[in-house]
Amino acid sequence: QKEVEQDPGPLSVPEGAIVSLNCTYSNSAFQYFMWYRQYSRKGPELLMYTYSSGNKEDGRFTAQVDKSSKYISLFIRDSQPSDSATYLCAMSTGGMNRDDKIIFGKGTRLHILP
Amino acid sequence: ETGVTQTPRHLVMGMTNKKSLKCEQHLGHNAMYWYKQSAKKPLELMFVYSLEERVENNSVPSRFSPECPNSSHLFLHLHTLQPEDSALYLCASSQTTRWGGETQYFGPGTRLLVL
Repeated sequence: QKEVEQDPGPLSVPEGAIVSLNCTYSNSAFQYFMWYRQYSRKGPELLMYTYSSGNKEDGRFTAQVDKSSKYISLFIRDSQPSDSATYLCAMSTGGMNRDDKIIFGKGTRLHILP
Repeated sequence: ETGVTQTPRHLVMGMTNKKSLKCEQHLGHNAMYWYKQSAKKPLELMFVYSLEERVENNSVPSRFSPECPNSSHLFLHLHTLQPEDSALYLCASSQTTRWGGETQYFGPGTRLLVL
């Protein structure tokens, strides 16, 4: 079983719709959960960062973590064409040892249709 | 110049060539990373340097050789690469090497094509 599973898409939604992006994971020791956004020909940039379970909201973006289900989500409200990008989930245990490195999902390609 | 910069942005090389990728961070961070990003695969961590000392070598073939002369600069020396090494090579930096709780800042990447 892979450590992090993420549907690669592509996911196409009309402008203004609510977007839901998800990842599942197998390592119950993960405590830090991140979402990165990567535009074409650019490096990933950190979008949302969450520690342990719960929700975090930042503008149109909401990150949810359900540790009991080993499931994380990123919701985008009022989606815009500028949100079209690849979204990568990432997670780690938070330690400083070599086994504690960040594990990334494959990324989901998102297209917002004008 | 701010953030993390990488040069060149694109590189085409033959299997017998030797080339180097350069990364520079202007954030005052102490840790720098090389990642490989291939199509339909997760980001693969290759090397980690903390305070110029290599702390991670993730079973990377010896045809990839990293160098970190100071905390702001990171190089990846390439020689006798294979076509399957074609990918986007990303450099990142963070304040420390604490994996979680640390934001990693990525450069734009070098798109490498090995012929």
